[in-house]
Amino acid sequence: SYELTQPPSVSVSPGQTASITCSGDKLGDKYACWYQQKPGQSPVLVIFQNSKRPSGIPERFSGSNSGNTATLTISGTQALDEADYYCQAWDSSNVVFGGGTKLTVL
Amino acid sequence: QVQLQESGPGLVKPSETLSLTCTVSSGSISSFYWSWIRQPPGKGLEWIGHIYYSGSTNYNPSLKGRVTISVDTSKNQFSLNLSSVTAADTAVYYCARVLGKVAGNPRFDSWGQGTLVTVSS
Repeated sequence: SYELTQPPSVSVSPGQTASITCSGDKLGDKYACWYQQKPGQSPVLVIFQNSKRPSGIPERFSGSNSGNTATLTISGTQALDEADYYCQAWDSSNVVFGGGTKLTVL
Repeated sequence: QVQLQESGPGLVKPSETLSLTCTVSSGSISSFYWSWIRQPPGKGLEWIGHIYYSGSTNYNPSLKGRVTISVDTSKNQFSLNLSSVTAADTAVYYCARVLGKVAGNPRFDSWGQGTLVTVSS
Protein backbone atom coordinates (compact mmCIF):
# COMPACT_ATOMS: atom_id res chain seq x y z
CA SER A 1 0.00 0.00 0.00
CA TYR A 2 1.06 3.56 -0.64
CA GLU A 3 2.71 5.43 2.23
CA LEU A 4 3.49 9.06 2.99
CA THR A 5 6.28 9.89 5.44
CA GLN A 6 6.56 13.10 7.44
CA PRO A 7 9.03 14.15 10.14
CA PRO A 8 7.36 13.86 13.57
CA SER A 9 8.33 17.37 14.57
CA VAL A 10 9.68 20.63 13.22
CA SER A 11 10.66 23.69 15.23
CA VAL A 12 10.87 27.26 14.01
CA SER A 13 11.44 30.68 15.54
CA PRO A 14 8.74 33.32 15.14
CA GLY A 15 9.15 35.23 11.89
CA GLN A 16 11.30 32.56 10.29
CA THR A 17 10.41 30.10 7.54
CA ALA A 18 9.18 26.62 8.40
CA SER A 19 9.37 23.76 5.93
CA ILE A 20 7.56 20.46 6.42
CA THR A 21 8.27 17.62 4.04
CA CYS A 22 6.16 14.69 2.92
CA SER A 23 7.77 11.79 1.07
CA GLY A 24 6.20 9.09 -1.04
CA ASP A 25 7.07 7.04 -4.10
CA LYS A 26 6.63 9.27 -7.17
CA LEU A 27 4.56 11.66 -5.07
CA GLY A 28 5.26 14.35 -7.63
CA ASP A 29 3.02 12.47 -10.05
CA LYS A 30 0.09 12.97 -7.70
CA TYR A 31 -1.60 16.01 -6.20
CA ALA A 32 -0.67 16.72 -2.58
CA CYS A 33 -2.84 18.45 -0.02
CA TRP A 34 -1.94 19.81 3.40
CA TYR A 35 -4.13 20.14 6.49
CA GLN A 36 -3.57 22.09 9.68
CA GLN A 37 -5.01 20.74 12.91
CA LYS A 38 -4.92 22.57 16.21
CA PRO A 39 -5.63 20.78 19.51
CA GLY A 40 -9.27 19.84 19.92
CA GLN A 41 -10.19 21.11 16.45
CA SER A 42 -11.01 19.55 13.11
CA PRO A 43 -8.39 19.65 10.36
CA VAL A 44 -8.39 22.66 8.05
CA LEU A 45 -7.28 22.50 4.41
CA VAL A 46 -4.39 24.92 3.84
CA ILE A 47 -2.98 23.71 0.50
CA PHE A 48 -4.51 21.64 -2.31
CA GLN A 49 -3.33 20.62 -5.79
CA ASN A 50 0.27 20.92 -4.52
CA SER A 51 0.37 24.68 -4.24
CA LYS A 52 -3.08 26.25 -4.25
CA ARG A 53 -4.47 28.03 -1.22
CA PRO A 54 -8.18 27.87 -0.37
CA SER A 55 -9.97 31.12 0.22
CA GLY A 56 -9.09 32.54 3.64
CA ILE A 57 -5.71 30.86 3.99
CA PRO A 58 -2.91 33.41 4.48
CA GLU A 59 -0.37 33.94 1.71
CA ARG A 60 2.44 32.85 4.03
CA PHE A 61 1.34 29.26 3.38
CA SER A 62 2.74 27.78 0.19
CA GLY A 63 3.38 24.34 -1.22
CA SER A 64 5.41 22.48 -3.81
CA ASN A 65 5.62 18.91 -5.04
CA SER A 66 8.28 17.29 -7.18
CA GLY A 67 9.93 13.92 -7.46
CA ASN A 68 9.23 12.02 -4.28
CA THR A 69 8.70 14.99 -1.98
CA ALA A 70 5.98 17.52 -1.29
CA THR A 71 6.82 20.49 0.89
CA LEU A 72 4.67 22.85 2.92
CA THR A 73 6.37 26.17 3.55
CA ILE A 74 5.21 28.74 6.07
CA SER A 75 6.92 32.09 5.64
CA GLY A 76 7.06 34.54 8.52
CA THR A 77 5.76 31.88 10.88
CA GLN A 78 3.51 33.14 13.63
CA ALA A 79 2.72 31.68 17.03
CA LEU A 80 -0.79 30.88 15.83
CA ASP A 81 0.69 28.56 13.18
CA GLU A 82 1.72 26.11 15.90
CA ALA A 83 -0.25 22.98 15.08
CA ASP A 84 -0.09 19.49 13.62
CA TYR A 85 0.20 19.36 9.83
CA TYR A 86 -0.82 16.41 7.67
CA CYS A 87 -0.05 15.79 4.04
CA GLN A 88 -2.49 13.77 1.97
CA ALA A 89 -2.62 12.30 -1.50
CA TRP A 90 -4.84 10.06 -3.58
CA ASP A 91 -3.47 6.70 -4.71
CA SER A 92 -5.90 5.47 -7.36
CA SER A 93 -9.23 5.86 -5.59
CA ASN A 94 -7.77 5.51 -2.11
CA VAL A 95 -6.78 8.30 0.24
CA VAL A 96 -3.49 8.30 2.10
CA PHE A 97 -2.46 10.61 4.93
CA GLY A 98 1.02 11.19 6.21
CA GLY A 99 1.66 10.52 9.87
CA GLY A 100 1.62 14.21 10.74
CA THR A 101 4.21 16.76 11.81
CA LYS A 102 3.98 18.81 14.99
CA LEU A 103 5.13 22.34 14.25
CA THR A 104 6.47 24.14 17.30
CA VAL A 105 7.01 27.89 17.18
CA LEU A 106 9.52 28.91 19.82
CA GLN B 1 -20.62 27.44 3.54
CA VAL B 2 -21.64 23.79 3.80
CA GLN B 3 -21.80 22.43 7.34
CA LEU B 4 -21.40 18.83 8.46
CA GLN B 5 -22.47 17.32 11.78
CA GLU B 6 -21.72 13.82 13.00
CA SER B 7 -24.14 12.01 15.28
CA GLY B 8 -24.33 8.61 16.93
CA PRO B 9 -23.47 6.68 20.09
CA GLY B 10 -20.32 7.66 21.90
CA LEU B 11 -19.85 4.20 23.39
CA VAL B 12 -19.93 0.88 21.56
CA LYS B 13 -19.26 -2.58 22.98
CA PRO B 14 -16.55 -4.80 21.52
CA SER B 15 -17.71 -7.03 18.65
CA GLU B 16 -20.72 -4.80 18.00
CA THR B 17 -21.32 -2.40 15.10
CA LEU B 18 -20.42 1.27 15.23
CA SER B 19 -22.99 3.43 13.44
CA LEU B 20 -22.65 7.13 12.72
CA THR B 21 -24.56 9.60 10.59
CA CYS B 22 -23.35 12.82 9.02
CA THR B 23 -25.95 15.49 8.31
CA VAL B 24 -25.10 18.02 5.61
CA SER B 25 -26.63 21.47 5.90
CA SER B 26 -26.38 24.77 4.02
CA GLY B 27 -25.71 22.80 0.85
CA SER B 28 -26.80 19.78 -1.13
CA ILE B 29 -25.32 16.33 -0.82
CA SER B 30 -25.76 15.87 -4.56
CA SER B 31 -22.88 16.06 -7.03
CA PHE B 32 -20.19 15.52 -4.40
CA TYR B 33 -18.17 12.75 -2.82
CA TRP B 34 -18.40 12.40 0.97
CA SER B 35 -15.93 10.74 3.27
CA TRP B 36 -15.34 9.34 6.74
CA ILE B 37 -11.99 9.85 8.42
CA ARG B 38 -10.96 8.87 11.92
CA GLN B 39 -8.25 9.80 14.40
CA PRO B 40 -7.35 7.60 17.38
CA PRO B 41 -6.53 9.62 20.51
CA GLY B 42 -3.10 11.20 20.15
CA LYS B 43 -2.55 9.70 16.69
CA GLY B 44 -2.85 10.69 13.05
CA LEU B 45 -5.64 10.74 10.52
CA GLU B 46 -6.90 7.56 8.84
CA TRP B 47 -9.21 7.57 5.84
CA ILE B 48 -12.07 5.11 6.19
CA GLY B 49 -13.85 5.48 2.87
CA HIS B 50 -16.00 7.67 0.70
CA ILE B 51 -19.27 7.61 -1.17
CA TYR B 52 -20.56 9.48 -4.19
CA TYR B 53 -24.07 10.91 -3.88
CA SER B 54 -25.17 8.31 -6.41
CA GLY B 55 -24.11 5.56 -4.00
CA SER B 56 -20.80 4.30 -5.39
CA THR B 57 -18.25 3.66 -2.68
CA ASN B 58 -14.56 3.14 -2.04
CA TYR B 59 -13.11 1.84 1.21
CA ASN B 60 -9.73 1.72 2.90
CA PRO B 61 -8.36 -1.76 2.09
CA SER B 62 -7.25 -2.15 5.71
CA LEU B 63 -10.88 -1.90 6.85
CA LYS B 64 -12.55 -3.59 3.93
CA GLY B 65 -15.05 -6.19 4.96
CA ARG B 66 -16.02 -4.29 8.09
CA VAL B 67 -17.03 -0.95 6.58
CA THR B 68 -20.22 0.11 4.88
CA ILE B 69 -20.96 3.70 3.88
CA SER B 70 -24.41 4.63 2.62
CA VAL B 71 -26.16 7.83 1.51
CA ASP B 72 -29.70 9.14 1.89
CA THR B 73 -30.09 12.08 -0.47
CA SER B 74 -33.65 12.75 0.69
CA LYS B 75 -32.33 13.51 4.18
CA ASN B 76 -29.03 15.07 3.02
CA GLN B 77 -27.20 12.49 5.13
CA PHE B 78 -24.61 9.80 4.74
CA SER B 79 -23.76 7.08 7.22
CA LEU B 80 -20.97 4.82 8.43
CA ASN B 81 -21.28 1.29 9.76
CA LEU B 82 -18.17 -0.41 11.12
CA SER B 83 -18.70 -3.95 12.30
CA SER B 84 -16.88 -6.20 14.77
CA VAL B 85 -15.27 -3.27 16.55
CA THR B 86 -12.40 -3.58 18.99
CA ALA B 87 -10.61 -1.13 21.25
CA ALA B 88 -8.41 -0.24 18.26
CA ASP B 89 -11.45 1.39 16.66
CA THR B 90 -11.68 3.96 19.45
CA ALA B 91 -11.22 7.30 17.74
CA VAL B 92 -12.67 10.66 16.86
CA TYR B 93 -14.68 10.10 13.70
CA TYR B 94 -14.95 12.94 11.19
CA CYS B 95 -17.15 13.30 8.16
CA ALA B 96 -15.86 15.49 5.36
CA ARG B 97 -16.77 16.71 1.89
CA VAL B 98 -14.54 15.90 -1.04
CA LEU B 99 -14.32 18.86 -3.40
CA GLY B 100 -12.89 18.61 -6.88
CA LYS B 101 -12.77 14.83 -7.28
CA VAL B 102 -14.54 14.82 -10.60
CA ALA B 103 -12.31 17.65 -11.80
CA GLY B 104 -9.19 15.69 -10.84
CA ASN B 105 -7.94 17.86 -7.97
CA PRO B 106 -9.73 16.38 -4.94
CA ARG B 107 -9.41 17.69 -1.43
CA PHE B 108 -11.30 17.59 1.87
CA ASP B 109 -12.57 21.15 2.03
CA SER B 110 -15.21 20.92 4.77
CA TRP B 111 -15.11 18.83 7.93
CA GLY B 112 -17.51 18.07 10.73
CA GLN B 113 -16.51 18.81 14.29
CA GLY B 114 -15.84 15.15 14.95
CA THR B 115 -17.35 12.74 17.42
CA LEU B 116 -15.46 10.53 19.85
CA VAL B 117 -16.46 6.90 19.78
CA THR B 118 -15.10 4.68 22.51
CA VAL B 119 -15.15 0.91 22.21
CA SER B 120 -15.42 -0.61 25.65
CA SER B 121 -17.51 -3.08 27.56
